[in-house]
Amino acid sequence: EPEVTQTPSHQVTQMGQEVILRCVPISNHLYFYWYRQILGQKVEFLVSFYNNEISEKSEIFDDQFSVERPDGSNFTLKIRSTKLEDSAMYFCASSAWGQGNSPLHFGNGTRLTVT
Amino acid sequence: AQTVTQSQPEMSVQEAETVTLSCTYDTSESDYYLFWYKQPPSRQMILVIRQEAYKQQNATENRFSVNFQKAAKSFSLKISDSQLGDAAMYFCAYSTTQGGSEKLVFGKGTKLTVNP
Repeated sequence: EPEVTQTPSHQVTQMGQEVILRCVPISNHLYFYWYRQILGQKVEFLVSFYNNEISEKSEIFDDQFSVERPDGSNFTLKIRSTKLEDSAMYFCASSAWGQGNSPLHFGNGTRLTVT
Repeated sequence: AQTVTQSQPEMSVQEAETVTLSCTYDTSESDYYLFWYKQPPSRQMILVIRQEAYKQQNATENRFSVNFQKAAKSFSLKISDSQLGDAAMYFCAYSTTQGGSEKLVFGKGTKLTVNP
């Protein structure tokens, strides 16, 4: 069964550094998402992406965040200047049709630790 | 804004027994989707079951079934014949069908322990 793959599985970075989290969605999916989960808390929506542009973003997704689909297969989340509170598990997800019609397939996540 | 509430931070069940996890939600919409996701220690989010609000029939997937009460805005998950592999965090989630919004809104989760 096709899977969403995320790399790296764990990223440690210093406060103020830029970090890029990478995802390869399922190949025939059209909708892509990033969610995050701070340790012990609920999963929160960050951003959705369709047709090479952001379709929706949450209040968390401020100017320090950006997403890109550089080559038709990868989907990246960039955090420009990391803060301690960015430490979390970041999940990439994709779906075929979006809007709840097709279930989200999640990757295994990238654990980001900001020191 | 839609909200999802899971009132049971932790639940436990004996192997082979049945357990029910509660979820309530708040929305002004008439059509939407509801989901239960499982997150084992590996941290991957796995879809367990999905319910479309316009369907009155409760969804079922093998040992997993839901009790969807639309008027009460309740969406509970029943796990029958619990197995050790069912131990995980379970998240209830909501998704609108309105155009342009595709995000999932999650509850805080219920940690399920299965005792041998």
